[in-house]
Amino acid sequence: AQTVTQSQPEMSVQEAETVTLSCTYDTSENNYYLFWYKQPPSRQMILVIRQEAYKQQNATENRFSVNFQKAAKSFSLKISDSQLGDTAMYFCAFLNYLGNEKLTFGTGTRLTIIP
Amino acid sequence: DSGVTQTPKHLITATGQRVTLRCSPRSGDLSVYWYQQSLDQGLQFLIQYYNGEERAKGNILERFSAQQFPDLHSELNLSSLELGDSALYFCASSVSSSGSTDTQYFGPGTRLTVL
Repeated sequence: AQTVTQSQPEMSVQEAETVTLSCTYDTSENNYYLFWYKQPPSRQMILVIRQEAYKQQNATENRFSVNFQKAAKSFSLKISDSQLGDTAMYFCAFLNYLGNEKLTFGTGTRLTIIP
Repeated sequence: DSGVTQTPKHLITATGQRVTLRCSPRSGDLSVYWYQQSLDQGLQFLIQYYNGEERAKGNILERFSAQQFPDLHSELNLSSLELGDSALYFCASSVSSSGSTDTQYFGPGTRLTVL
């Protein structure tokens, strides 16, 4: 079974600064997907970014980028030029490729952007 | 807006009652997933349907059941409700053609309160 660990329950950063959220996972699979989802106070689950394990290039979506280290089973999220609207819970999630299609979530990191 | 709709947004009921949560997937998506988010258990996968058929089961109680209809909308039925069933219930959908996995997009959730 896969496990996802987010070791930072809470973080805060000044507006416009850069912040990195950590995520590690454990799996015996070789092909999988990793995701970061954002849950703002509205409680909606919003996809932030996705990484395919077979791709060596790190995914980027505007101000959001990941540092994917497959050997280390690490998948961190970097938010650049942070904005007040980035205040949310951030969940790291694992998904098997060609297997049980359930998402396995970490416990989340509560990120607060300070004006 | 993810394109996934869920009704109702809020539901307040008493212990022992039965409720039905409804989900409509994004246009073109064949798979529907149900997740439960509670304070003590985090985000947990309940069940997946693909094109009308049950495809995967997670930590779903026997008191809970689901189905996916020919128009691909899905319903999650919760019966003999207990206080501990109070949670946010998410539906997600993906294209998920047979033999592959894809990104799951989440609906806004149904907040269930059992009194």
